[in-house]
Amino acid sequence: DAGVIQSPRHEVTEMGQEVTLRCKPISGHDYLFWYRQTMMRGLELLIYFNNNVPIDDSGMPEDRFSAKMPNASFSTLKIQPSEPRDSAVYFCASSLVAGDGGEQYFGPGTRLTVT
Amino acid sequence: QQQVKQSPQSLIVQKGGISIINCAYENTAFDYFPWYQQFPGKGPALLIAIRPDVSEKKEGRFTISLNKSAKQFSLHIMDSQPGDSATYFCAASRGNFNKFYFGSGTKLNVKP
Repeated sequence: DAGVIQSPRHEVTEMGQEVTLRCKPISGHDYLFWYRQTMMRGLELLIYFNNNVPIDDSGMPEDRFSAKMPNASFSTLKIQPSEPRDSAVYFCASSLVAGDGGEQYFGPGTRLTVT
Repeated sequence: QQQVKQSPQSLIVQKGGISIINCAYENTAFDYFPWYQQFPGKGPALLIAIRPDVSEKKEGRFTISLNKSAKQFSLHIMDSQPGDSATYFCAASRGNFNKFYFGSGTKLNVKP
């Protein structure tokens, strides 16, 4: 298996532009997570899906952020409009089962820079 | 409010030494405690995990210790090697919920 696939790996954009990050989870995994990692705040869970349905989006910082999972093999995280403070590494992760034993497999991340 | 507090923020250990990273939590409902290892430019990967039915779990040079009464758990890396240099995250979750609360991370540097 190729693991969790994220694209792009790097994104540089100007403030105010729309940014779309993409994720392909491991085939057969029912859970998908979006995380943001910064030096100041560490690893933060933004939102997670179970069987393509958003379960908990309490970590989404504000309305500029939105996430979708139209099918079991694809998810997007969109920022519109982007701001410099959104600069971070965004990780997508997937897991097979819930809770105990639900190892989360992380993708390589997308490094976003907003100028 | 940070659900899991991790220390130290950074750690320098000589090759062959013991690396110790500590985490503390408040929510007594937490019942799954994984540790993730992250190398530069990579996503975190599961290293080792423990449930509250045991107080210690060892896998090779890596050991997790859990003190439920103190609500603390720790990672010990014995005979630390330069290849162990990475950032380590503790995490906690409860029941069948798959939401992990991660600590802030510890950057470990093992000097040759």
